[in-house]
Amino acid sequence: AIRLTQSPSSFSASPGDRVTITCRASHGINNYLAWYQQKPEKAPKLLIYATSTLQSGVPSRFSGSGSGTDFTLTISYLQSEDFATYYCQQHFSYPYTFGQGTKLEIK
Amino acid sequence: QVQLVQSGAEVKTPGASVKVSCKASGDTFNTYYMHWVRQAPGQGLEWMGIITPSGYDTVYAQEFQARVTVTRDTSTNTVYIELSSLTSEDTAVYYCARGGTGTAAAGSLDYWGQGTPVTVSS
Repeated sequence: AIRLTQSPSSFSASPGDRVTITCRASHGINNYLAWYQQKPEKAPKLLIYATSTLQSGVPSRFSGSGSGTDFTLTISYLQSEDFATYYCQQHFSYPYTFGQGTKLEIK
Repeated sequence: QVQLVQSGAEVKTPGASVKVSCKASGDTFNTYYMHWVRQAPGQGLEWMGIITPSGYDTVYAQEFQARVTVTRDTSTNTVYIELSSLTSEDTAVYYCARGGTGTAAAGSLDYWGQGTPVTVSS
């Protein structure tokens, strides 16, 4: 199975900050990398798929980039509602796998 | 408006089986792949398996292969997951999710159910 490693596991930031989360795959995934946001006691929400395609309805302050085995999620101007846990997921080959998550907290 | 509505919370004893349902509305359900994902308390997301639109084919994560069955009833727009030989390590929230459409989105999960808590305890 393809292993995804996210960094950092958690960090603190302030509203208005620009933040970046990294996801590294153990093998190439042909850019089939998705990002999800999850708030406590809620189902995850799809933000981005295929590395950089924004899901319908997701604010443009979210963006994704990367290639090969290294990918990033960037939030350009943090809003209060963005404090949550973020997961990457490879949708290239079975079994699909998720990163361990990155918890973003308010500083 | 796509909605995935899951069955209610379950409490099971070790060794038992559990079956969770997920009913879809609002779209052409029978054209989508459907996934199951679980999340243990305080832990991350774990992909369990997928079923094709027809329901004829499934793929499971290796760790569940021997004791999981995913099925779908196209007449009622419902997908099911059954997990047998439960242990305390199966205590988790189980989510169904719809697979994205199109080549680029395939395999991403664009709509999720609300989750079904399953507790395994003696």
